[in-house]
Amino acid sequence: KAGVTQTPRYLIKTRGQQVTLSCSPISGHRSVSWYQQTPGQGLQFLFEYFSETQRNKGNFPGRFSGRQFSNSRSEMNVSTLELGDSALYLCASSLQGAGSGANVLTFGAGSRLTVL
Amino acid sequence: DAKTTQPNSMESNEEEPVHLPCNHSTISGTDYIHWYRQLPSQGPEYVIHGLTSNVNNRMASLAIAEDRKSSTLILHRATLRDAAVYYCILSLNNDMRFGAGTRLTVKP
Repeated sequence: KAGVTQTPRYLIKTRGQQVTLSCSPISGHRSVSWYQQTPGQGLQFLFEYFSETQRNKGNFPGRFSGRQFSNSRSEMNVSTLELGDSALYLCASSLQGAGSGANVLTFGAGSRLTVL
Repeated sequence: DAKTTQPNSMESNEEEPVHLPCNHSTISGTDYIHWYRQLPSQGPEYVIHGLTSNVNNRMASLAIAEDRKSSTLILHRATLRDAAVYYCILSLNNDMRFGAGTRLTVKP
């Protein structure tokens, strides 16, 4: 069974540009969560989508946005890139919906963004 | 938000047991305790989770205190491949917030 696929794996952008990252969840998983990982801040929760609806959102500015399609694939977008947006962006998919704390996340390998 | 506290780093010798502690004194009755680990250059991977009772799987054991204010992840025989950052997280309603984790070093 295929795992969580994130594309692209690596990308370089310049300040002011925007970027779109893609995440294909495990087949049958309806929830996709996004995280930002930096050496200084660790793993920080961005947002979570379930059946095309954003259910939870972390403490990030509005430049960070996402969406989920009917096939559960998800994209996140960062506009007006800043140097501090350089990070590993991870997505995770899960089977169960809200109300289940037993939900297990399966992570992708991440998209490493460098902003110059 | 329910929070967890873990030591920044721990060391272990290869083939010896490792006990990774986690404090979660503000845990609520419906929070599950999850452990994930992140190997170098990889995304985090699930290790184990539990609610009240101790849990075992092929990777590890999870010992949960009776008052649920702390838990311990047990690796029965550490290998070099277990060197990773281990995260203890409380999970409710698909909201999982990671802390800094414990960096485990395994010495041959």
